[in-house]
Amino acid sequence: DIQMTQSPSSVSASVGDRVTITCRASQGISSWLAWYQQKPGKAPKLLIYAASSLQSGVPSRFSGSGSGTDFTLTISSLQPEDFATYYCQQANSFPPTFGPGTKVDIK
Amino acid sequence: QVQLQESGPGLVKPSQTLSLTCTVSGGSISSGSYYWSWIRQPAGKGLEWIGRIYTSGSTNYNPSLKSRVTISVDTSKNQFSLKLSSVTAADTAVYYCAREGGPETTVLYRTLDYWGQGTLVTVSS
Repeated sequence: DIQMTQSPSSVSASVGDRVTITCRASQGISSWLAWYQQKPGKAPKLLIYAASSLQSGVPSRFSGSGSGTDFTLTISSLQPEDFATYYCQQANSFPPTFGPGTKVDIK
Repeated sequence: QVQLQESGPGLVKPSQTLSLTCTVSGGSISSGSYYWSWIRQPAGKGLEWIGRIYTSGSTNYNPSLKSRVTISVDTSKNQFSLKLSSVTAADTAVYYCAREGGPETTVLYRTLDYWGQGTLVTVSS
């Protein structure tokens, strides 16, 4: 299985801050990477697919980049509704695997 | 808008079989190039992909759970189901069903775009 790691594991930020989360795959996955947002007690929500494509309805302050083994999710200006846990998921190889998550909380 | 809803017992005894059903609305489970998948999340932990069934009926399971998992589909009811046998406390988790892009969805391949709300299953005597 491809192992996914994320850093940091948690980040404290203020409304309006720029936040960047990194995801690394244990082997190259081209651009086969998705990002999800999960709020407490809720299901994950797809934000980004194919590393940099914004899912319909997701605000443009979210962006993704990267290819190969290293990827980033950037929130350009953090909003109150963005406090959540973010997961990356590789979609290159079977079985799909997720990173351990990055919790974004209020500073 | 596709919607998914999990249902099933919230409490299962150790060594028994966990059974959950996912009902899909807003679209036919038989149409399009999609997998119908199960994912679980123990409390306070990350996400684990369990397995999926394709519109053709073919299945794929996570090798870590393969010996205990069965996923099936009932197209007449627009539902798919999960059975996990010989459960232990380690199988206690929130179980989600989701739609996963199939081969013909190209950039959404193996990406989970619609999720159910999740259902907590506790394994305890």
